[in-house]
Parts: sequence; structure tokens; C-alpha cells
Amino acid sequence: DIQMTQSPSSLSASVGDRVTITCRASQSISSYLNWYQQKPGRAPKLLIHAASSLQSGVPSRFSGSGSGTDFTLTVSSLQPEDFGTYYCQQSYTTPQNFGQGTKLEIK
Amino acid sequence: EVQLVESGGGVVRPGGSLRLSCIASGFSFDDYGFSWVRQAPGKGLEWVSGIDWNGGSTGYADSVKGRFTISRDNAKNSLYLQMNSLRADDTALYYCARDRNAYYSTFDFWGQGTLVTVSS
Repeated sequence: DIQMTQSPSSLSASVGDRVTITCRASQSISSYLNWYQQKPGRAPKLLIHAASSLQSGVPSRFSGSGSGTDFTLTVSSLQPEDFGTYYCQQSYTTPQNFGQGTKLEIK
Repeated sequence: EVQLVESGGGVVRPGGSLRLSCIASGFSFDDYGFSWVRQAPGKGLEWVSGIDWNGGSTGYADSVKGRFTISRDNAKNSLYLQMNSLRADDTALYYCARDRNAYYSTFDFWGQGTLVTVSS
């Protein structure tokens, strides 16, 4: 199985900050990497698919990059509604494992 | 509007069985693959099982292989998860998730989940 490791596990940032979350796969997954946002008590929401493609309706301040084993999710200018937990997920092969999550708090 | 509504969760004793259902509306059900993804209380997301658009391909996490069976009924716009030999570590909120395409790899719409509690 492919293991997905996110860093950091948590972070606190201020409105307007540029925030970056990293995801590393245990083997190459090409660009088969997705990012989700989950708010407390809510279902996850797809933000980015295929490493860098913005899902319809997602604000353009979210962006993704990377290929192979190393990927990043960037929020260019953090907004108050961006709090929550972010998960990466590989869609290269079964099982389609998720990372352990990064909890983002707004200062 | 895309809607996914899960049902069938509840409290069950270890070794017991449950059948989860997910009814879809607002799109052409048989064009898409689906997955079940679970989340234990206070924990992260775990992909459980997936099925392609016509049921010809299915996949399972190692943790549920041989105990859980995914299926679909395109005539009823419904997805199912038969869960047997349930264990305490199966306790979780179970989400039904639609794929962006016909397979089961990228999840663009999610239901609100149904809670499964395995306890004696």
C-alpha cells in the first residue's frame, strides 16, 4: 500500500497569510493526488484534483503543485472561512489512502 | 442538485452485521463510480471500498476485505455496503462519496454520513 504523510500536523496562521501544507507519498504516484477540506461536523470537500486542478467552485486562492512523491497545497491569502482540517489522498492505486490530516487554525 | 443520503447505521454487537445504503439524486447515477469512506470519532479519513459505474470493478481496504461487500443497483440509484463480522474498530461515521468519473478514485460529492457503533 502507498502511505501518505502530511506536514505539519497542525498550524496556526493569520488572515492574509500564505499557508503551505505538504504531502509526501511513499512511492511515486505521478499526479494522482487530491486535496480535501473538512470543517467540524461536515463532510469533506474536494479542493484540488490531479495535483493542481482546481475543483469547480473552489476559490482561486487555493492551489496545488507537485508530482511523483512530493506535493503541496497553498492558500495564497488565508481567509477566516479556511479553518478546518486538510487531507491529501492518492488516487493512483487501490487502496486510495488519505494522509493523516493537517488541522489549520486561524489566529 | 447532487444529493447523497446515507442510511442503515446503528449500534451493533461485535460479530454482527449491518447494511448501509446510499440513495443518490440530481445526476445520472450510472455514469459514476462510488466509494465508502469512514471516519472514526476524532480521527482521519479512511477509504473503505469502491465500485465502478456498472459494478464490474470493486476494491476494498485490507482492514475490511473479506468482511464487507460493496454493491450498487443502478435502477434504484442506490449504493450499498454489507458489513459482516463487525469489530469495535469499525466504529465510525460512514460516508458515501461520488467519484468525478466512472471509477472510484477522486470524490467530488459526499453525503452527510451514517454512524456505525460496534459495542457490546
